[in-house]
Amino acid sequence: QVQLVQSGSELKKPGASVKVSCKASGYTFSNYALNWVRQAPGQGLEWMGWINTNTGNPTYAQGFTGRFVFSLDTSVRTAYLQISSLKAEDTAVYYCARNWGYFDLWGRGTLVTVSS
Amino acid sequence: EIVLTQSPGTLSLSPGERATLSCRASQSVSSSYLAWYQQKPGQAPRLLVYGASSRATGIPDRFSGSGSGTDFTLTISRLEPEDFAVYYCQQYDSSPRSFGQGTKLEIK
Repeated sequence: QVQLVQSGSELKKPGASVKVSCKASGYTFSNYALNWVRQAPGQGLEWMGWINTNTGNPTYAQGFTGRFVFSLDTSVRTAYLQISSLKAEDTAVYYCARNWGYFDLWGRGTLVTVSS
Repeated sequence: EIVLTQSPGTLSLSPGERATLSCRASQSVSSSYLAWYQQKPGQAPRLLVYGASSRATGIPDRFSGSGSGTDFTLTISRLEPEDFAVYYCQQYDSSPRSFGQGTKLEIK
């Protein structure tokens, strides 16, 4: 089955770090880029950037540099989003989405809650 | 950066009616690199249309996309109860990719 399976919800304190995973199955992992999209509570969709699943080269949108890191483990067909120095405003659902242009396959999302 | 503006913000219609959603870009989107998504509460977005007018796999033919340049439209010909959701447009002509702010389609 063609799908992206994301890791479960996280509750973190301000200043901590979190690593969200996105495991691909049912298709050739290296044939498609992997994007990350953020959705804050009650808000719209915000593209964070993408990672080239062939080279591992990440591209970050403005506003997602410094504390945000995209990475891969191709041996297990998994992409990762790591956020460091978490702030309350990082509370959101984070989605991974496949493809370079339009996003034809999405994970179910991972809720990251940052609260003291 | 291409800014996408969707209108209206909220659209109140009844099942069986026709829905027309608009997406306007701040600059021309070349090659009609524009997509539409549907999102229901608690769910991930679902791709409906890409290339401005091509329906994604499994999408009913009551959904149709049109437009070019800076003005794009998603039309739902006859609303079904399951169509009430939030709809987003997205451009992939240039980086950064960008989404519109969404149109909420609600039951009247």
